Amino acid sequence: DQQVKQNSPSLSVQEGRISILNCDYTNSMFDYFLWYKKYPAEGPTFLISISSIKDKNEDGRFTVFLNKSAKHLSLHIVPSQPGDSAVYFCAASEAGTYKYIFGTGTRLKVLA
Amino acid sequence: SQTIHQWPATLVQPVGSPLSLECTVEGTSNPNLYWYRQAAGRGLQLLFYSVGIGQISSEVPQNLSASRPQDRQFILSSKKLLLSDSGFYLCASRVTGVNTEAFFGQGTRLTVV
Repeated sequence: DQQVKQNSPSLSVQEGRISILNCDYTNSMFDYFLWYKKYPAEGPTFLISISSIKDKNEDGRFTVFLNKSAKHLSLHIVPSQPGDSAVYFCAASEAGTYKYIFGTGTRLKVLA
Repeated sequence: SQTIHQWPATLVQPVGSPLSLECTVEGTSNPNLYWYRQAAGRGLQLLFYSVGIGQISSEVPQNLSASRPQDRQFILSSKKLLLSDSGFYLCASRVTGVNTEAFFGQGTRLTVV
């Protein structure tokens, strides 16, 4: 049972435009959500997170939106840069547990 | 901030051989520690996590085991590797407390032949 889903395996965007990566979850007890960026043969690096008490969190070019009623979150990257090309994972955590559950990832390609 | 050390970076092992992957953490005490695996073309699957020395929780039944002999040391083992154990293994650490991010090591690429 995949509790965290990223239904788009890949996305291509022109440099300078907005990249929107989506993530859906099924467990209504998740209360903390994170986005990670991963290059091949490297460990994921943390990008941005959001608590369930918020619906938006912004850090530079990265903004995460959370829609709890729809059990959906998204990551917006504006403007997109070629160096943003990587696989992006969303993850979720439930209060009182110690686990992060990851989605299957979306490969973003930013075209110069 | 935390630094996660994982070794080796790559490993090729024959079927039936034992496995020991080590992870050590710097920059924090009493972290929550995790082993994840990324199989080819798939997401990150949580294998084990630990909230303290000697405490291990297993997420999926499998051919692997984990141990935490010291506060900042996490070991992934197998007595006899299977072909299906091939993958990219990642160790992660998180500071104890609510709503904190996990930091990952650089990973070990294991190929079982």
